[in-house]
Amino acid sequence: DGGITQSPKYLFRKEGQNVTLSCEQNLNHDAMYWYRQDPGQGLRLIYYSQIVNDFQKGDIAEGYSVSREKKESFPLTVTSAQKNPTAFYLCASSQVAGNEQFFGPGTRLTVL
Amino acid sequence: ILNVEQSPQSLHVQEGDSTNFTCSFPSSNFYALHWYRWETAKSPEALFVMTLNGDEKKKGRISATLNTKEGYSYLYIKGSQPEDSATYLCAFKVGGGNKLTFGTGTQLKVEL
Repeated sequence: DGGITQSPKYLFRKEGQNVTLSCEQNLNHDAMYWYRQDPGQGLRLIYYSQIVNDFQKGDIAEGYSVSREKKESFPLTVTSAQKNPTAFYLCASSQVAGNEQFFGPGTRLTVL
Repeated sequence: ILNVEQSPQSLHVQEGDSTNFTCSFPSSNFYALHWYRWETAKSPEALFVMTLNGDEKKKGRISATLNTKEGYSYLYIKGSQPEDSATYLCAFKVGGGNKLTFGTGTQLKVEL
């Protein structure tokens, strides 16, 4: 089945630690995205990548980093510089940038 | 950052009621307006992608209209069913852009 997988579903981290969230897609999509959702807010774009080895900052990139070494994979690292990392993180992909997006199941990150 | 607003924030209706909600977006430099449905414990799924002023799209009991000149889209659900309970998100794409800006969503609960 084609789709997007994110792991883990739940993640707990101690304050001051970096953590990496996984996102993999087998849809052969060129573009991939990371969003963050907080209660009462919409999906806010953290980073996106239009093609392998290229990525751009979204609206709230501070404290996050990404890589796009393979078409299928777009991992997100939440660094210790992110002031308020507890949130729900969604990964998405689209055939080309800006088109209809397909979403993964999300990862809920809690900083203890 | 573009401003995409959705109203109401939440809505409770009875089974069989028809309902509608609104997405407002900047009317300048419009390219596309997306609607997504996000059911609890699932991933958001695309409902419609609309690009032309006056566009109307329909999928079963759900339909949407688009007015790009005044910057709004309506989503209608006819004869609501409990399985329609979800958060409905709209997302706006500017001309020449390669990302979507999401609204905060309308949370719909359909009660028996």
